Amino acid sequence: NAGVTQTPKFRVLKTGQSMTLLCAQDMNHEYMYWYRQDPGMGLRLIHYSVGEGTTAKGEVPDGYNVSRLKKQNFLLGLESAAPSQTSVYFCASTGQVGGQETQYFGPGTRLLVL
Amino acid sequence: EDQVTQSPEALRLQEGESSSLNCSYTVSGLRGLFWYRQDPGKGPEFLFTLYSAGEEKEKERLKATLTKKESFLHITAPKPEDSATYLCAVPQGGSEKLVFGKGTKLTVNP
Repeated sequence: NAGVTQTPKFRVLKTGQSMTLLCAQDMNHEYMYWYRQDPGMGLRLIHYSVGEGTTAKGEVPDGYNVSRLKKQNFLLGLESAAPSQTSVYFCASTGQVGGQETQYFGPGTRLLVL
Repeated sequence: EDQVTQSPEALRLQEGESSSLNCSYTVSGLRGLFWYRQDPGKGPEFLFTLYSAGEEKEKERLKATLTKKESFLHITAPKPEDSATYLCAVPQGGSEKLVFGKGTKLTVNP
């Protein structure tokens, strides 16, 4: 199993540009999440999905959109990037391991918006 | 509002010097508490899930415990490779969303 993978690993955008971050998991997990991590702020939930075709807002959803057309993929879109969206983005999925709930994280996407 | 507070923010230990990290939470109807380790430049790595007060889990030099209001991550005789940021999180009441603490950055000097 590759676990949770994220594409791209690093990206530089200019203000106003758009981009899509891709998250893929091969563990057949229902729940998937997008977080951003900023110094001093910890991990904050952007959007999440409890199954194929479903999405829901998290703590900081403004400026982002998501889609879950396939169970294994969860896409995060920035329609018009702003410098405030400079951050490290992590995708995660949740499943059961040995009877306990476990959340698996991807390696992260570092985004710089100029 | 559901909250998770971790202390201390940073901890510096000498190799072999045991200590504990704290995670206190205010959430209605606790459905589990999660501990993670995060190395610089990487995603968080799952360590433990605790479900009820009194529960303990161990992995190598780490032992996590849970009470009704807080959890402790005890590190026994740490090594430099235990240096990382340790995060805890709880599900927000009635949802599948996790609320994370800001983490404790642990540095173990040889």
